[in-house]
Amino acid sequence: EAGVTQFPSHSVIEKGQTVTLRCDPISGHDNLYWYRRVMGKEIKFLLHFVKESKQDESGMPNNRFLAERTGGTYSTLKVQPAELEDSGVYFCASSQDLTSGANTGELFFGEGSRLTVL
Amino acid sequence: AQSVTQLDSQVPVFEEAPVELRCNYSSSVSVYLFWYVQYPNQGLQLLLKYLSGSTLVESINGFEAEFNKSQTSFHLRKPSVHISDTAEYFCAVSETANNNDMRFGAGTRLTVKP
Repeated sequence: EAGVTQFPSHSVIEKGQTVTLRCDPISGHDNLYWYRRVMGKEIKFLLHFVKESKQDESGMPNNRFLAERTGGTYSTLKVQPAELEDSGVYFCASSQDLTSGANTGELFFGEGSRLTVL
Repeated sequence: AQSVTQLDSQVPVFEEAPVELRCNYSSSVSVYLFWYVQYPNQGLQLLLKYLSGSTLVESINGFEAEFNKSQTSFHLRKPSVHISDTAEYFCAVSETANNNDMRFGAGTRLTVKP
């Protein structure tokens, strides 16, 4: 079974440019999360999808960040325009729906997308 | 809202020595606690978790953590580390059974030297 995959693994862009990060969750996982880790600090929650709906986007830094999950499968996180402080590693994670009875309390993470804004 | 503090950003130890990675949390309600590990060039993987029941939980590779409610701690320990344990370890806390509110600490980088 394929795990959570993220693309690209590393992106280097200039301030003001646009970047789109993609996450493919484990098949059948309704929950999809985006997290960000900046400069070795804590991994901070950005937002949570349940299928295609945004359940919680309280962690999104500002309106330069836009996350979508059309069709409830893969998700994209777009940063437009990028600023220097957006640099960091963006993690995606997925988990099964609790009502399915199969949720073990575990989030399955991708390897992360490292974003460097110059 | 819940939060996690990992007191040590880096822990260097020699192979076969014991190690303890400290984690303290804050929450106003009952919590679920987790340790995740990130090996070089990999994603985070669940190492162990406390959901309920016994306060001492163990992983398959010899790590254990003990939930201490009075001290709001969930320290991770291993009596004898291996080179292969070199990784970054993240403590996490959730206040809900579905873990949709999971919050992480800043991580502790464990380096095991020969």
